[in-house]
Amino acid sequence: KAGVTQTPRYLIKTRGQQVTLSCSPISGHRSVSWYQQTPGQGLQFLFEYFSETQRNKGNFPGRFSGRQFSNSRSEMNVSTLELGDSALYLCASSYTGAATNEKLFFGSGTQLSVL
Amino acid sequence: GENVEQHPSTLSVQEGDSAVIKCTYSDSASNYFPWYKQELGKRPQLIIDIRSNVGEKKDQRIAVTLNKTAKHFSLHITETQPEDSAVYFCAASIQGFQKLVFGTGTRLLVSP
Repeated sequence: KAGVTQTPRYLIKTRGQQVTLSCSPISGHRSVSWYQQTPGQGLQFLFEYFSETQRNKGNFPGRFSGRQFSNSRSEMNVSTLELGDSALYLCASSYTGAATNEKLFFGSGTQLSVL
Repeated sequence: GENVEQHPSTLSVQEGDSAVIKCTYSDSASNYFPWYKQELGKRPQLIIDIRSNVGEKKDQRIAVTLNKTAKHFSLHITETQPEDSAVYFCAASIQGFQKLVFGTGTRLLVSP
């Protein structure tokens, strides 16, 4: 079974631009969540989607948005990029995100550098 | 909201020694506590998890304990090996995987 797939693996953008990151969950998984990882702040929750609906959102500005498609693939978008947005963006998936015997699996991430 | 504190930030041990990493959470409603291992340049990998209705769980050389009263949980690695060297993250969640709150990570270095 293929794991969580994130594209692209690396991305370089300049301040003010926008970026879209993609995540394909494990087959059968319908819950997709996104995390930002930085050396200073660690892993921080961005948002979680299930059945094309955002169920939870972290404390990030409105420049960070996401969506989920009917095939459970998800995208996240960051508009008006700032230098501080440079980070590793990790996507994770699970079956429903709520059952007591599920596991959460991470993708390899997209390393975003904002110049 | 939930807050998770993790200690120590770095831990150096000799091969064969035991390593203990401790985490404290703030929200008593948290009911799921996973531990992830992240090697340099790789994705976080789930190594063990525990739910609030269990006090201890073991998987070979790895064990996790949970004290709900004190709101802390710990990762124990016995007979450490150089390949255990990595950053370990604890996390806590109230709503399953809908929102995991992570600790700041512990860099474990196991010297041969």
